[in-house]
Amino acid sequence: TQLLEQSPQFLSIQEGENLTVYCNSSSVFSSLQWYRQEPGEGPVLLVTVVTGGEVKKLKRLTFQFGDARKDSSLHITAAQPGDTGLYLCAGGQGAQKLVFGQGTRLTINP
Amino acid sequence: DTEVTQTPKHLVMGMTNKKSLKCEQHMGHRAMYWYKQKAKKPPELMFVYSYEKLSINESVPSRFSPECPNSSLLNLHLHALQPEDSALYLCASSQGPIAGTGELFFGEGSRLTVL
Repeated sequence: TQLLEQSPQFLSIQEGENLTVYCNSSSVFSSLQWYRQEPGEGPVLLVTVVTGGEVKKLKRLTFQFGDARKDSSLHITAAQPGDTGLYLCAGGQGAQKLVFGQGTRLTINP
Repeated sequence: DTEVTQTPKHLVMGMTNKKSLKCEQHMGHRAMYWYKQKAKKPPELMFVYSYEKLSINESVPSRFSPECPNSSLLNLHLHALQPEDSALYLCASSQGPIAGTGELFFGEGSRLTVL
């Protein structure tokens, strides 16, 4: 069974601080996606990484895919209250169904 | 604005009722999905349709019945549900035929409460 473990599960920090969320697995994934979900809404895709060692930036968010394609990280610089939400990583492996991590619930306090 | 539209946004039903959730996408995607999400948990896959045919059923109880009338529409028919079925039901679509090869585009979800 493929599993994706996210850490931390909960994170509450002050506005302006930096943070990193991790997504780890013992399985190799052909691609890994990050989603953000706000209360009462569906997840919204932030980024997809496909190449080992790949780094993608989306404004203050930096996503990295591990060299072995088993892990990923999301780093947020100068967090803002609008970054608050549930962050989900999801891994794909060929034709198999997407595997979701348990999520990281992030709260940015003004 | 999401390009996957779900209706209704909220639904309250009794255990003897029959109701349906609807989902529509006009992105030309060929795969559509139903997920169930309980509070503080990640989405759990229920069904996958690929080219309008059911390709994955995650051992979902028969009181949930999916239907894909055409490539843009996906329904979830509900009958004789239990209170523990109360959850946010998410529809998603992807360009690829089977989940894992493509990115998912989710609707805003239908919040279901079973009394």
